[in-house]
Amino acid sequence: DGGITQSPKYLFRKEGQNVTLSCEQNLNHDAMYWYRQDPGQGLRLIYYSQIVNDFQKGDIAEGYSVSREKKESFPLTVTSAQKNPTAFYLCASSIRGVGAIVHYNEQFFGPGTRLTVL
Amino acid sequence: DAKTTQPNSMESNEEEPVHLPCNHSTISGTDYIHWYRQLPSQGPEYVIHGLTSNVNNRMASLAIAEDRKSSTLILHRATLRDAAVYYCILRDGTNAGKSTFGDGTTLTVKP
Repeated sequence: DGGITQSPKYLFRKEGQNVTLSCEQNLNHDAMYWYRQDPGQGLRLIYYSQIVNDFQKGDIAEGYSVSREKKESFPLTVTSAQKNPTAFYLCASSIRGVGAIVHYNEQFFGPGTRLTVL
Repeated sequence: DAKTTQPNSMESNEEEPVHLPCNHSTISGTDYIHWYRQLPSQGPEYVIHGLTSNVNNRMASLAIAEDRKSSTLILHRATLRDAAVYYCILRDGTNAGKSTFGDGTTLTVKP
């Protein structure tokens, strides 16, 4: 089955620790995204990547880092610099459009990782 | 960035049509209007998207105002499984990653 997976489903972090959230897709999508969702709120974009070995900061990138070494993988590291990391983290992917219209296509979301700082 | 405004909550009766409104008065010419829905503790699910013309798919219809400053998601016959938070989103077709999520509309479907 084609899809996008995230692991772990639940993650607990002690203050001062870095943690890495996994995101894998087998949809052959070029574009991948990381979002953060706080209770009762919408999604906020952390980082996105249009293609392997390239990524850009979203609206709330401070305290986070990513890598895109393989097309199917886009891991997110929550560093100790992120002061309030407790949240629901969602990864998404989409087909990269053609020409100047790059990102109008639907996004496919993973099931999410709930991160809690102890 | 262009923003969207949606009512916080709406109610519907099962088997009746539902019209979910969205205002996006600062939409730009390259923004696509997307709708997603989300169940608690799950990732959002794509519903429909459009640019200027009305769109239909197996899940819903999207009606876009002529000036594109508002749109309406139409669920033709609501079922209990349609109860979710519905997000109206603008995705910039020329700037990768520029997606603006609001707080969404919580749809309750009564049997």
